[in-house]
Formats: sequence, structure tokens, C-alpha cells
Amino acid sequence: EAQVTQNPRYLITVTGKKLTVTCSQNMNHEYMSWYRQDPGLGLRQIYYSMNVEVTDKGDVPEGYKVSRKEKRNFPLILESPSPNQTSLYFCASHATGSWLNTGELFFGEGSRLTVL
Amino acid sequence: GQQLNQSPQSMFIQEGEDVSMNCTSSSIFNTWLWYKQDPGEGPVLLIALYKAGELTSNGRLTAQFGITRKDSFLNISASIPSDVGIYFCAGQNLYNNNDMRFGAGTRLTVKP
Repeated sequence: EAQVTQNPRYLITVTGKKLTVTCSQNMNHEYMSWYRQDPGLGLRQIYYSMNVEVTDKGDVPEGYKVSRKEKRNFPLILESPSPNQTSLYFCASHATGSWLNTGELFFGEGSRLTVL
Repeated sequence: GQQLNQSPQSMFIQEGEDVSMNCTSSSIFNTWLWYKQDPGEGPVLLIALYKAGELTSNGRLTAQFGITRKDSFLNISASIPSDVGIYFCAGQNLYNNNDMRFGAGTRLTVKP
């Protein structure tokens, strides 16, 4: 089954404790992206990656890092989490070839993070 | 970046009623998309629109790409309880590295 898998789905942590949210897709997609969803603000892009070893900042990259060492994985790293990073996070992917045709992003199920 | 204004923010309707929501932008987009997010899930694409003026249907859903390229609407006819969720509009700019912008979402509640 084609899917984007995120882990963990739920996490409560404390300020300053480094954490990583993993994302993996099994569709051989070139493009991967991270979004955060906050009430009244919709989905805001944090970072994206056009392909392996190619990453770029989205609209709200501060406080986050990413890496793309393999095509299928795109982890989101919070080096020193703060309470304003409490949010619902989504990983998404699509095939570059289809991006121009459909604009369809495939989303994971989300990771709800609480930073105390 | 480009801002999308989506309205209404939320809707409470009775089963069987029709629903309409829309999105406007200060800038033009090449593609308009509508996604639905079920509770506890990630967004899923409902409809994609590629040409100004285009009107597309998907079952009880109908969406249109505004003629100015700066707006889009989504209609749901004869709503049912499983229509509950958050609906997001998204605009894509092919000439700006395929940049995609999302609206803030419309939360739909359907009362049986």
C-alpha cells in the first residue's frame, strides 16, 4: 500500500530536549516536505526537499532542521524544542513528474507534538 | 509569501443541506486544489483545477477555478455525516518553483 508514515504519532516532551520525527514514503517520490498545522493558520511549510541531499527552507523553518540522505526518508529534527513548536506536524511527498500535472501531495497521518 | 483567504472558518449544517466555501488570493495561481482532512488523518486531495474558468465535479463535490485565477470555490451537495472534516484550499504557482499555499481551512460539522 502506497503511504507516507510518520513516527511518533503523539509526543509530549520538555523544552530543550532534542527530538526527531521520522517520515518515510514507499512511493519512490522525489519531493518531500514538512508542514505544521495550527488553528486558524492552515498548513505552513517548514522545509522541503526536491531530491536526495537537496533541501530548502519553507515559510517557517526557524527551530527546525531536516536531512535527506535517502530518497524514502525525510526526518524533521528539533534540536532544542520550545513551547511555540507545539503543533500538529505533517510530512508529505509527491513524484516530481506528477507535480506539474496534478499538484497532488500525499500526506502522512500527522504527529502531534506538545512541548512543555 | 502569497496569502490565501479561505471562508467560512467553520460551518454547522444539517444533513442534506448544500455547502459552499471559497478561497481568494491577492496573487494568481496556475492550479487550485481542494483537500479534505478527516479527524486524525492527513489531508487527501479531492479536486484539482488547472484552467481559469474550469468547473470540475467529483461525485457530490463541485469546484471552480475563478476566471481571474485569484479565487476558487467548492460546493458540496446533499451533505452526509461523513463529510465532516476540515477542507483546505491550496494554490500552486508553477512559475515559482511549484510553490503551494494553503488556506486556513473550513471546519465542517454535519448534524444528522
